[in-house]
Amino acid sequence: AQSVTQLGSHVSVSEGALVLLRCNYSSSVPPYLFWYVQYPNQGLQLLLKYTTGATLVKGINGFEAEFKKSETSFHLTKPSAHMSDAAEYFCAVSDPETGNTPLVFGKGTRLSVIA
Amino acid sequence: NAGVTQTPKFQVLKTGQSMTLQCAQDMNHEYMSWYRQDPGMGLRLIHYSVGAGITDQGEVPNGYNVSRSTTEDFPLRLLSAAPSQTSVYFCASSYSYTSKEQYFGPGTRLTVT
Repeated sequence: AQSVTQLGSHVSVSEGALVLLRCNYSSSVPPYLFWYVQYPNQGLQLLLKYTTGATLVKGINGFEAEFKKSETSFHLTKPSAHMSDAAEYFCAVSDPETGNTPLVFGKGTRLSVIA
Repeated sequence: NAGVTQTPKFQVLKTGQSMTLQCAQDMNHEYMSWYRQDPGMGLRLIHYSVGAGITDQGEVPNGYNVSRSTTEDFPLRLLSAAPSQTSVYFCASSYSYTSKEQYFGPGTRLTVT
């Protein structure tokens, strides 16, 4: 069974600083990986996803993530934080070979951006 | 497209009451699912459906029922509400169960007293 671990339930950065949100997964097969963002009182919105191919994936709002199989990681980064990036971020994993297996989500990381 | 819609947005129930949370999507998606979100717990899957007439249990199905009579609708029924079911409920859909990329509704905030 797959699982996702997000290191740090709360991350705080200064405006303009690097954003790094960590995600490690366990899976017996190369997984599909996702990052979702949730703004206050809203549903989840897809930021980016990795399925196959290039391991560096670019998403919306300047975010990107790199799939590192050797490290079983899929960390989310953004070079320069903006106040509007304050939100909760969820990493999710799925097994592409098991059709009915739904997404498994991490517990989330709340990002605060300090002016 | 309206995407995934959920009603109501807020609901307060007394212990033992029943109710149905509505979810609809207009994207002709095969796959629909219900999650609950609790502080520090992330999203936990309650039930899911891979197509009309087919449903299955997720991680936390107890106390909830679902049915999928049409492609568009996937209601979640609370049979006898308990305070432990106080949560934010999200419905999601995707084109197919293999695509995995899910689109989420805005959520229903439920309080059981």
